[in-house]
Parts: sequence; C-alpha cells; structure tokens
Amino acid sequence: GAVVSQHPSRVICKSGTSVKIECRSLDFQATTMFWYRQFPKQSLMLMATSNEGSKATYEQGVEKDKFLINHASLTLSTLTVTSAHPEDSSFYICSANPGGGNNEQFFGPGTRLTVL
Amino acid sequence: AQTVTQSQPEMSVQEAETVTLSCTYDTSESDYYLFWYKQPPSRQMILVIRQEAYKQQNATENRFSVNFQKAAKSFSLKISDSQLGDAAMYFCACGGATNKLIFGTGTLLAVQP
Repeated sequence: GAVVSQHPSRVICKSGTSVKIECRSLDFQATTMFWYRQFPKQSLMLMATSNEGSKATYEQGVEKDKFLINHASLTLSTLTVTSAHPEDSSFYICSANPGGGNNEQFFGPGTRLTVL
Repeated sequence: AQTVTQSQPEMSVQEAETVTLSCTYDTSESDYYLFWYKQPPSRQMILVIRQEAYKQQNATENRFSVNFQKAAKSFSLKISDSQLGDAAMYFCACGGATNKLIFGTGTLLAVQP
C-alpha cells in the first residue's frame, strides 16, 4: 500500500523561531499533497493544497506568509511555520494523492508541534 | 463548497454488537466521493471505507458497511461484530474534483468488553 511519511514526528521550539515539517510519499508520486491542522479533540482542518511545481492554494483564513509550503518534487512537500507562536501549537498532518483517477488520500503519521 | 456534519460526538457499543455512526453532508459538486476514516490514539488516519457518489450500491468492507442515501445526503457507517480494536475516533469526509477532503467533527467510539 501507499506510504506517506512525515518528519519530524515531534518538535518543540521557542516562540519566534521557524519550524519545517517534511511530508514524503515513499512509494508513489504525488502531484498534489494536502496539509491539515488538528487541535486536541477536534477535527482535521484543511490548511492548504500543495501543488508540485506551482504555488500552494490556501484555505480561507490561513496565512500564506505564516505557513510556507514548498512542493519541490513529486515526492516531497514541506510546511514551514514561520515565527511560531504558542497558538501555532497543534498536530499537523499531511496527505498525498497518487492521482490518475485514484481519489484516495494517504495520510502521514502527523507532526506534533509545541511552541514554548 | 462542502460541509460534513456528524451529530454524534460520542458513541458506545458492546463488544460483538452492531453500531451505526451518522453523517450528513452537503456539496455543490455533481461528482464526489465519501469516506470514513478511523483515527486511533496513535493519530494515524486509516481509511475504513469509501463510496463513489455515482454508485448506487452501498460499499462494504468486511465488518464495515455504509448506508448511502444520496437524495437525503446521508452517509452512515455500520460496524458489525464490534471489536475492542474498533475503539477510535471516526471521521466522515467528502471529496470532489480537487481531491481535497472536508471532514466532519468526528465521533468517538468506545467499545465495551
């Protein structure tokens, strides 16, 4: 089956620093990846669609300058939380779609970000 | 635009019994897909079952089946012969042409031994 990895699984950083989270599709190519944020005991909220070779598409209310997305290759998308603040602490999950008519999303294991 | 509603924040079922989780949705797309995902304490999202909206037949995966009522925009999940390992958060989701998923608020399922 299709596997998506995320790195790191957990990160703790100081307020004001930037954090980069990687999402990789290990055994398939993904022209599109998605980034979600999940607060404790809440649902997954779509943040943005990461498009290989073009700019990411952000959902309403998500600051594109705050959450930088780079989809450098068909197997890697990165999310950088810039100038992180405690309210950015959350669980970040990525998913990837193989395309070609397959509508299934394959999810990474998530990254827990804690901003002190 | 799509919206997904799960009206049951928590449900409980006895081991070996059957439970049904409710989900309603709304979408402006004519070609869409519906999913049920399971999120155990590890927080890894696991696909339980999916349904293409153009298919009239309800999807089934072993002990999991759906009741898809397109006109009513309802997509419930039935878990038969519940097992302790079924205990998790269950999310209903809707996807369309862009493949991005909109999730419901989730139902926390407890399985009593």
